Amino acid sequence: KQEVTQIPAALSVPEGENLVLNCSFTDSAIYNLQWFRQDPGKGLTSLLLIQSSQREQTSGRLNASLDKSSGRSTLYIAASQPGDSATYLCAVRPRSNYQLIWGAGTKLIIKP
Amino acid sequence: SQTIHQWPATLVQPVGSPLSLECTVEGTSNPNLYWYRQAAGRGLQLLFYSVGIGQISSEVPQNLSASRPQDRQFILSSKKLLLSDSGFYLCAWSTAMNTEAFFGQGTRLTVV
Repeated sequence: KQEVTQIPAALSVPEGENLVLNCSFTDSAIYNLQWFRQDPGKGLTSLLLIQSSQREQTSGRLNASLDKSSGRSTLYIAASQPGDSATYLCAVRPRSNYQLIWGAGTKLIIKP
Repeated sequence: SQTIHQWPATLVQPVGSPLSLECTVEGTSNPNLYWYRQAAGRGLQLLFYSVGIGQISSEVPQNLSASRPQDRQFILSSKKLLLSDSGFYLCAWSTAMNTEAFFGQGTRLTVV
């Protein structure tokens, strides 16, 4: 059974720092992994999608990596800004079914 | 471009009352549609998904049902709400089961 874990559950850093959010999954048989951002009381915004054949994806100050063999993905945020404060969720789509399997998220606070 | 609309944004309903949440997608045809529930501090739980009109798959047996009367319309319903139905409900779509998923802004349901 696929399980997704995100560590840490919460993170607070000063503005301007580079930071890494972690996501681990137990079964490497996945189609893809997706990172989302969720602002309080809002829906999810897709940030990056990494297919199983890819190692990383970049969008602006965000870079997501995927190491399928070790069951890990990281989301790197460069030069963090207060507007980056949100909860970041990762989800994997296993090859065994149609569901996205979700981590519980990392709540990120960027202090001005 | 594709957009997804979900309403209402918030809803307070008494126990035993009916429920109808609506989700529509624009700018694409024959999308895969999903209803998720998000409990506080926990990952998202897939409730229903649909690959076409009238085709609904339920992931979790419960007090809720879903319908897809039109290609780009997905409705979440209940005949009699329970207190445990309170939560944040999210609608999502994707072009296929293993492609990027896009989410609506969510509905905060409080059953009192």
